[in-house]
Amino acid sequence: VLTQSPLSLPVTPGEPASISCRSSESLLDRNGFNYLDWYVQKPGQSPQLLIYMGSSRASGVPDRFSGSGSGTDFTLKISRVEAEDIGIYYCMQALQSLPITFGQGTRLDI
Amino acid sequence: QITLKESGPTLVKPTQTLTLTCTFSGFSLNGNGVSVGWIRQPPGKALEWVAVIYWNDDKRYNPSLKSRVTIAKDTSKDQVVLTMTNVDRVDTATYYCARTGGAGYYYTGWDYWGQGAQVTVSS
Repeated sequence: VLTQSPLSLPVTPGEPASISCRSSESLLDRNGFNYLDWYVQKPGQSPQLLIYMGSSRASGVPDRFSGSGSGTDFTLKISRVEAEDIGIYYCMQALQSLPITFGQGTRLDI
Repeated sequence: QITLKESGPTLVKPTQTLTLTCTFSGFSLNGNGVSVGWIRQPPGKALEWVAVIYWNDDKRYNPSLKSRVTIAKDTSKDQVVLTMTNVDRVDTATYYCARTGGAGYYYTGWDYWGQGAQVTVSS
């Protein structure tokens, strides 16, 4: 089970934002990688990948987005929120030994 | 350019079988580590993983749906087909297909998604 907090996050443009994702089981594989992704679903759009394997930024993702954490505790940080960042943010676990699951989602509003 | 597109019926009656097709281009499902999966989203709710099929024909299913769902690939057509039997109103959702470009050390995340196919289960 993945638990995100907060579920709603009002933000001011230019200010930082942080979302937490906690897993009921460790997402650290024997190979040393954490299989935790972050996705954002902007209004009316399909989800899009932001961060994979805990901290690797996907192609084309602005460097104001960063992922950190290991094991069961992970964080997505936006250094300076922009208006285009509004949407619902999901964490997702991708460890092969566990069913793929998503967090409940965190709604980011300006 | 990598694209994925879902197709299938928009309206299905309860107890019927739903068949959705994901047609993709720009990559091969024969590639080592590549997978294509289905994720659904009921109206106003969170994302839910349904199933995934890997380049080597391994398959994984959401345990809560496993008894009703089958995923298969047709590499000659660059398609992945999802079949869900005995559908119910709770299966009403937007169904997305997405791909990963690698596995293990080369895992890429679900880096490309389709636009989604809206499916309503109603009599």
